[in-house]
Amino acid sequence: AQSVTQLGSHVSVSEGALVLLRCNYSSSVPPYLFWYVQYPNQGLQLLLKYTSAATLVKGINGFEAEFKKSETSFHLTKPSAHMSDAAEYFCAVSDRAGTALIFGKGTTLSVSS
Amino acid sequence: ETGVTQTPRHLVMGMTNKKSLKCEQHLGHNAMYWYKQSAKKPLELMFVYNFKEQTENNSVPSRFSPECPNSSHLFLHLHTLQPEDSALYLCASSQDVGQGHEQFFGPGTRLTVL
Repeated sequence: AQSVTQLGSHVSVSEGALVLLRCNYSSSVPPYLFWYVQYPNQGLQLLLKYTSAATLVKGINGFEAEFKKSETSFHLTKPSAHMSDAAEYFCAVSDRAGTALIFGKGTTLSVSS
Repeated sequence: ETGVTQTPRHLVMGMTNKKSLKCEQHLGHNAMYWYKQSAKKPLELMFVYNFKEQTENNSVPSRFSPECPNSSHLFLHLHTLQPEDSALYLCASSQDVGQGHEQFFGPGTRLTVL
């Protein structure tokens, strides 16, 4: 069965600092992996997705994530945080059997000036 | 209109009321979803429709009744709700279910049950 674990329900960084949001997955087959962002009072927006074409995936707003099979991880990073990055971030997994996405519990990112 | 739209954006209802949430997708997708997002809880998948047919019902109470008249429209009919049903209800669509197809989300309906 698939599952997603996001380590840290809340991450705080200073503006300009590195952002690292952690996601570990469990899947019996090579998965599809996604990162979504949710701003207050809005729906979820896709940041990036991994579909096995390349292990380093670049997304919108300067975010990227690296698929590491040996570590079953898909951590999200951004070299320099901006105040506008403050939001909730969700990691999600889907296997190739045609099931709906399984979401993690989310990580709230706070950015201070 | 583009993407996924939801109406109303906010809804306050009593426990004896009947109301409906509406979702419309303008993306030509075949699959649509209802999620419940409560404070401090993970996103909960409620229902999945693929080509207008319900393919998943995650043990949702019968006071929530979905309807999918065509691939572009999805409704959630509500009756005799409880205060714990207060949450953000999100609709999403995707080209098909699974297989790496990303889901596109609407802005949600903020529901408050008094």
